[in-house]
Amino acid sequence: DIVMTQSPLSLSVTPGESASISCRSSQSPLQSNGYNYLDWYQQKPGQSPKLLIYLGSNRASGVPDRFSGSGSGTDFTLKISRVEAEDVGVYYCMQEGTFGQGTKLEIK
Amino acid sequence: QVQLVQSGAQMKKPGASVKVSCKASGHTSINQYIHWVRQAPGQGLEWVGAIDPSGAMTVYTQKFQGRVTMTRDTSTSTSYMELRSLMSDDTAVYYCAATGDNVGAAIGYYYAMDVWGPGTTVTVS
Repeated sequence: DIVMTQSPLSLSVTPGESASISCRSSQSPLQSNGYNYLDWYQQKPGQSPKLLIYLGSNRASGVPDRFSGSGSGTDFTLKISRVEAEDVGVYYCMQEGTFGQGTKLEIK
Repeated sequence: QVQLVQSGAQMKKPGASVKVSCKASGHTSINQYIHWVRQAPGQGLEWVGAIDPSGAMTVYTQKFQGRVTMTRDTSTSTSYMELRSLMSDDTAVYYCAATGDNVGAAIGYYYAMDVWGPGTTVTVS
């Protein structure tokens, strides 16, 4: 079974600064077609999750370019540039149906 | 853009079954897989499984094998998830979520869930 490990599990960021969330998989999400089958989701308090990044680095429709995904092998990163108050929530990586534990983002 | 409307909250006793519905409206796609994800109170997201656009193929996470059935009525664009032999640990919000045309369908990737329903609270007590 795939195991997804996120770090940190929580972080507090000053508005305007950047935040990075790491996701490590027990199995590489790289497929023979050259794509990484790994996505990132954001869940704001009291809301349904929202797709941010798919296939490792592609922003979903309507997602601000402050959000970016990168990585290779078994290590992937979600970076949020110029953090805003509205970014508060929990962020999850997911590989083919297996979610990470989630990382809670708070604003200082 | 498709919207997903889910059935209302349900309360069940241990050992019972629950069936949650998810109706899609708006632009539905031939590539639209429907996934079910649950979230226990104060916990993270847990993928339950998915059903293909035709309703002919399902995939369930091993934890729920034998206890869950996903079905789909293409004539009404409604998907269903039935969970049997309920336990208190099944208390959760159950979300349905859909894959769209532009998040990997072109390469046969159907895990990116870009439209989510509001969730259905299932309480087992």
